[in-house]
Amino acid sequence: EPEVTQTPSHQVTQMGQEVILRCVPISNHLYFYWYRQILGQKVEFLVSFYNNEISEKSEIFDDQFSVERPDGSNFTLKIRSTKLEDSAMYFCASSALTGGESPLHFGNGTRLTVT
Amino acid sequence: GNSVTQMEGPVTLSEEAFLTINCTYTATGYPSLFWYVQYPGEGLQLLLKATKADDKGSNKGFEATYRKETTSFHLEKGSVQVSDSAVYFCARRLYNQGGKLIFGQGTELSVKP
Repeated sequence: EPEVTQTPSHQVTQMGQEVILRCVPISNHLYFYWYRQILGQKVEFLVSFYNNEISEKSEIFDDQFSVERPDGSNFTLKIRSTKLEDSAMYFCASSALTGGESPLHFGNGTRLTVT
Repeated sequence: GNSVTQMEGPVTLSEEAFLTINCTYTATGYPSLFWYVQYPGEGLQLLLKATKADDKGSNKGFEATYRKETTSFHLEKGSVQVSDSAVYFCARRLYNQGGKLIFGQGTELSVKP
């Protein structure tokens, strides 16, 4: 069964550094998402992406965050200048449609640790 | 507002016990509803879904029925196993909101032998 893959599985970075989290969504999917989960807390929506542009973003997704689909297969999340509070598990997801018939498929996540 | 509320955990059960995890939602439209499961150290896996009122989703012995009148989607399993120990997330999705999922806070289930 096709799956969403994320790399790296764990990223450690120093405060103020830029990080890029990478995702390869399922190949025929059109809608892409990033979520984050701070340890022990709920899964929070960050951003959705369709047709090469952001469809919606949450309050968390401020100017420090950006997303890109550079080559038709990868979907990246960039954090320009990381803060301690960015430490979390980041999940990428994709779906074929926006209805319930086509649920979101999630990757295994990237654990980001900012020191 | 648009939100999902789950019963607080952790829930601790003995093997073969009956499980219910309550979930209620608020939404201005007609959401699709989902249960996702997160096993220790892993990502989010779709467990089951229901797309309209009175639909019953089922998978791996788990069931949930979409109840529009009570805006609920409670997860049930008749006989839990140790391997069911995980965090369970209820979620809703609205077509006219770009298809994003809104998750409940998650309920941790621990099943003891």
